[in-house]
Amino acid sequence: AQKITQTQPGMFVQEKEAVTLDCTYDTSDPSYGLFWYKQPSSGEMIFLIYQGSYDQQNATEGRYSLNFQKARKSANLVISASQLGDSAMYFCAMREAPSGGYQKVTFGTGTKLQVIP
Amino acid sequence: SAVISQKPSRDICQRGTSLTIQCQVDSQVTMMFWYRQQPGQSLTLIATANQGSEATYESGFVIDKFPISRPNLTFSTLTVSNMSPEDSSIYLCSAGQGPDTEAFFGQGTRLTVV
Repeated sequence: AQKITQTQPGMFVQEKEAVTLDCTYDTSDPSYGLFWYKQPSSGEMIFLIYQGSYDQQNATEGRYSLNFQKARKSANLVISASQLGDSAMYFCAMREAPSGGYQKVTFGTGTKLQVIP
Repeated sequence: SAVISQKPSRDICQRGTSLTIQCQVDSQVTMMFWYRQQPGQSLTLIATANQGSEATYESGFVIDKFPISRPNLTFSTLTVSNMSPEDSSIYLCSAGQGPDTEAFFGQGTRLTVV
């Protein structure tokens, strides 16, 4: 079973509009972390935002916010006021820390976002 | 946040040869990881680099093919051995301090095997 599911292989958004990228996850661990990364065509992975499983409030970082719905196991990324430079692949990821302390980060399949002028 | 330097940034290698990728972090980190990203695909964890002990490999990856070293808390290497064209990928190093902190990535190494 997929640990991280991103159901949108590609998305288009008009410049200056907001866009939501979907992510659902599956884990039985009570403690976990959720991440979003941006990967432009250059290939580097750029960290955007982090949400801990025990965090009460949704994480925000500038134009990025994470809509965390724990009961539904979803962690959607919201980008406000889209810019042309936001065009890239976006990956949702989850870190689990099962007993024994071994941590593993699993990535979703990604969503390719294209911002239209 | 940690700054991670990875080199080489890209390389073209002959099949049957080996390439060692270096990952240097500007501060001591608890966890270091190596990932592979095949063309058009997501990231797949190869192994966790453990300081002072053997790396922990994920299913489908073996030490003979991907030997890893981690001599201290700021440095790790990944070797891709006996390369074939199927090894052509981006290889990424990642580091983090613990379960409640973000994980940062190096710039990646684009490997092409001909």
